[in-house]
Formats: sequence, structure tokens, C-alpha cells
Amino acid sequence: SAVISQKPSRDICQRGTSLTIQCQVDSQVTMMFWYRQQPGQSLTLIATANQGSEATYESGFVIDKFPISRPNLTFSTLTVSNMSPEDSSIYLCSVVQFNSNQPQHFGDGTRLSIL
Amino acid sequence: RKEVEQDPGPFNVPEGATVAFNCTYSNSASQSFFWYRQDCRKEPKLLMSVYSSGNEDGRFTAQLNRASQYISLLIRDSKLSDSATYLCVVLSGGSYIPTFGRGTSLIVHP
Repeated sequence: SAVISQKPSRDICQRGTSLTIQCQVDSQVTMMFWYRQQPGQSLTLIATANQGSEATYESGFVIDKFPISRPNLTFSTLTVSNMSPEDSSIYLCSVVQFNSNQPQHFGDGTRLSIL
Repeated sequence: RKEVEQDPGPFNVPEGATVAFNCTYSNSASQSFFWYRQDCRKEPKLLMSVYSSGNEDGRFTAQLNRASQYISLLIRDSKLSDSATYLCVVLSGGSYIPTFGRGTSLIVHP
């Protein structure tokens, strides 16, 4: 299965700042996603990262707050903008690999704390 | 009603016990079912798929009941290392975006 690397693995940020999270996959994948998992909660899909075009955002998430790039089939970034303590969460990149036995394969996540 | 519901627990059991979790889903068009395991502060990882005929992998058995729209996970002879959160995952036909349950927390103690 694909190896997914996320950077940074964790960060502590000041409110009002922005942080960009990178997701690198070791093979070409068609579909990449960004999730958020707040403490004690399940995973919430933020958006589908589309290669070469604007991401598809889920209800409650907007591009101004969570701009996403996907310049090619193996790389994507998620920016958390103008952060507030409510943005403290784990952010996970995931991919879908065709002919895989699992619906989603996750990166190891970015643990973000906002002071 | 949430699409995928799980009892959050925690289930607190001694080593060697047998424990079972259920997960109900509301979308009758759901076609694929999975259990993921998530260790504390780690990413979710696939534990096992759930087939219509049931699926067994060592101490773990998964079952699907389409009529009642639930899946189950049975863990026999619990180990300390089984302590984790178990996420129920449901995928509808034609979709690549699954729905995740909130997860059931299992704590196995000596």
C-alpha cells in the first residue's frame, strides 16, 4: 500500500497565524482527501483535493479558511488560516488506491494546537 | 439520526475477556463495511473488512446484518495491546468517500 508522509507531525501555533500541512505519497493516486479529527470526535471530511483544480469542500468548510493545493498526483497541501483555539485538532491526509482492500489509507496526521 | 452510530464506550475489560461492539448504519444503499483501529494520537488503520458472509481473522470476527443494518466486531481473548478506538466505516455504492462512526473505545486491563 501507499506510504503517506505528512509534515509537520505536530505544531503549536499562535492564534491568528496560518500553517501549511504537506502530504506526500510515494505513488500516484487518483483521490486525495483532507480530514479533521477533533478531540474525542470522529473524522470529518474537510475537502477532496483535486489535481490541477479547486478542491471540493464539504459543508461547513470554505476555501478562505482551508485553502488546498494539489499540483500533481502525489502531493497536496492544506493551509489552516487565521487559526483560533477551535482549530486545535488532528489533520489527516488520506488517499484512495484502486485495487486496494481498504476504502481510505491515512497519513500519520498533523497534531495542531493553537494557543 | 447519524448515518453511522457507535457506542463510544469506553468498554473496560480484563485480559482474556471476549468483547463485542455493534455499529448501526442508516443508509440502506451502503455496500461496503470496514472496521478501522485507531491508537491514541495515531492515524486510523484498517483492521478488517466486513463481508456479507462474515469475516474472521485470528481473534477478531466481523459480521454484517443487512436486514437490521448493523455490523459487529467480536474480539476473543483480549490482549492489553487491543486497547484502542475501533471505528466503524461504511461506504455507499459508487462513492469513494466513506462515512466514519465516532468510534468505540476499548480498554483492556491486566
